Amino acid sequence: GENVEQHPSTLSVQEGDSAVIKCTYSDSASNYFPWYKQELGKGPQLIIDIRSNVGEKKDQRIAVTLNKTAKHFSLHITETQPEDSAVYFCAATRDTGRRALTFGSGTRLQVQP
Amino acid sequence: NAGVTQTPKFQVLKTGQSMTLQCAQDMNHEYMSWYRQDPGMGLRLIHYSVGAGITDQGEVPNGYNVSRSTTEDFPLRLLSAAPSQTSVYFCASSYSTAGHIYEQYFGPGTRLTVT
Repeated sequence: GENVEQHPSTLSVQEGDSAVIKCTYSDSASNYFPWYKQELGKGPQLIIDIRSNVGEKKDQRIAVTLNKTAKHFSLHITETQPEDSAVYFCAATRDTGRRALTFGSGTRLQVQP
Repeated sequence: NAGVTQTPKFQVLKTGQSMTLQCAQDMNHEYMSWYRQDPGMGLRLIHYSVGAGITDQGEVPNGYNVSRSTTEDFPLRLLSAAPSQTSVYFCASSYSTAGHIYEQYFGPGTRLTVT
């Protein structure tokens, strides 16, 4: 089955700096890669996703890049703000079969004001 | 829309007790799933359903049962609770087609402690 590894486990940045979180996956058939943000006491919420036919996707201060050959994808947050502080999870899945997400272990991002 | 709702929010059980975690969605999503979240391990799939009357096992199904009699509801049953089932449980739903998976919407979670 799929295995997703996520790094780093914790990340502390100053407000206004950029943050980068990286994930690798094992199943070359995976073709959907979402990123979730989880705030304390809440369920995960999708912030951005990318499919395997696209190399990069942006949404305001958030971007995701995908390298299919190397089987890794990354989340980039620019101009970080204190409200970006949360736990971020990457995930991977394929469109066939279970279509169930395999999650990374999470990154706790702390943005220092 | 209420989205995905889960009850209860918190639950304490004794070893050997059984209970049902409730999950409901009002978005007419075909796909529903249950995950458990343990510290440092991300979320792991327990069971999932691609439509009413159809369920299947995920990554960690032992000790749990599910059923899907309606599109809206997807309850998770703990048959005989064990301390290893202490976790936070999330239900999720999404629209899906045969060719694509779409955004999964998560409920607020149920924090379960088994003593």
